[in-house]
Amino acid sequence: LAKTTQPISMDSYEGQEVNITCSHNNIATNDYITWYQQFPSQGPRFIIQGYKTKVTNEVASLFIPADRKSSTLSLPRVSLSDTAVYYCLVGYEKLTFGTGTRLTIIP
Amino acid sequence: SQTIHQWPATLVQPVGSPLSLECTVEGTSNPNLYWYRQAAGRGLQLLFYSVGIGQISSEVPQNLSASRPQDRQFILSSKKLLLSDSGFYLCAWSVGGFDYGYTFGSGTRLTVV
Repeated sequence: LAKTTQPISMDSYEGQEVNITCSHNNIATNDYITWYQQFPSQGPRFIIQGYKTKVTNEVASLFIPADRKSSTLSLPRVSLSDTAVYYCLVGYEKLTFGTGTRLTIIP
Repeated sequence: SQTIHQWPATLVQPVGSPLSLECTVEGTSNPNLYWYRQAAGRGLQLLFYSVGIGQISSEVPQNLSASRPQDRQFILSSKKLLLSDSGFYLCAWSVGGFDYGYTFGSGTRLTVV
């Protein structure tokens, strides 16, 4: 399984755009890149998934360069409710979650 | 729509006691089912993985076992709990292939005392 590296924590002000980058140098050909959000005492919630280039949905965008060795989750105009832990996962099945990035939004 | 139910929400058990956590999925057939554990301040550790009835893969050697007696039922068990079994246990499901991710249950907070 491909290993991922992401920042342990990040702070941002309300209304800003937040970009969280994840490195996955050993990504395999059939691996997808998936991001989850987790609030305290809750299960992770799927945010977005992609294979290459750019994916956008109603809550986030995912940018994946051509070599797929990294990816960037972009959260537009964050609010206090976006304070959570964000996990980057790479794989196809039996996904393993690392410690994630603890994002704190400051009023 | 698909839903996943996990219970109980919280549990306090003494060391050496047995454990049974249940997870059921509705609205889908033949899902892949997963048990994860999250220690305080840590990431999620995959414990067990099942692609069908009676088919269980153990990812980490431990004091726990899992069973899948029905297509949409996944049970996590232990004969004798250890203090180190404390944690937040999460059940999840997915469909095979490009599945747009896992759907997690609400979790069980287990404290072994």
